[in-house]
Amino acid sequence: DAGVIQSPRHEVTEMGQEVTLRCKPISGHNSLFWYRQTMMRGLELLIYFNNNVPIDDSGMPEDRFSAKMPNASFSTLKIQPSEPRDSAVYFCASSPHQVVFEQYFGPGTRLTVT
Amino acid sequence: DQQVKQNSPSLSVQEGRISILNCDYTNSMFDYFLWYKKYPAEGPTFLISISSIKDKNEDGRFTVFLNKSAKHLSLHIVPSQPGDSAVYFCAAGLSGSARQLTFGSGTQLTVLP
Repeated sequence: DAGVIQSPRHEVTEMGQEVTLRCKPISGHNSLFWYRQTMMRGLELLIYFNNNVPIDDSGMPEDRFSAKMPNASFSTLKIQPSEPRDSAVYFCASSPHQVVFEQYFGPGTRLTVT
Repeated sequence: DQQVKQNSPSLSVQEGRISILNCDYTNSMFDYFLWYKKYPAEGPTFLISISSIKDKNEDGRFTVFLNKSAKHLSLHIVPSQPGDSAVYFCAAGLSGSARQLTFGSGTQLTVLP
């Protein structure tokens, strides 16, 4: 049974370029979370979807960040334009339903913006 | 303003001894707590959890203790094994309509053979 799938695993891009990170949650899970991990701030929640609907995007740092979930099996996190301070590991996690706290994480995408 | 704090960035323990990882929180409304383990180049994996109605939960070598009055929880691993070497995150959540988690900054545990 596949876990949460993220792509790409590594992304190196130049400042100003658009970056799109992709996530496929575990089948049947209806909650999806995007996190960013940095040395300074640890694991921060960026945005949370339930049944494909964004519930809380208060963690999205600024308008350069956007996230979509067009269907139950796919989500994207886009950064446009990217900046060096966006360099981090971005994790996607999914959860079986809204009454469960336990989240299942993907392997992450390591983003480097030069 | 960090609501969940892990004040020790690292901990080294001898194999076979007890590892104790600590976590403090400031929001007294948190009512569910989890520990995650993370190996390099992998995502965090769920380890053990505890509801605020309990003060202890045990699963094999792992035990989580919750002290609500002190707003403190700890993870005990006994006996520690080299394969336990990883970063451990504590997380806290609020019951209600959402199941968002607030994570601590993590503690790197190294178990020495």
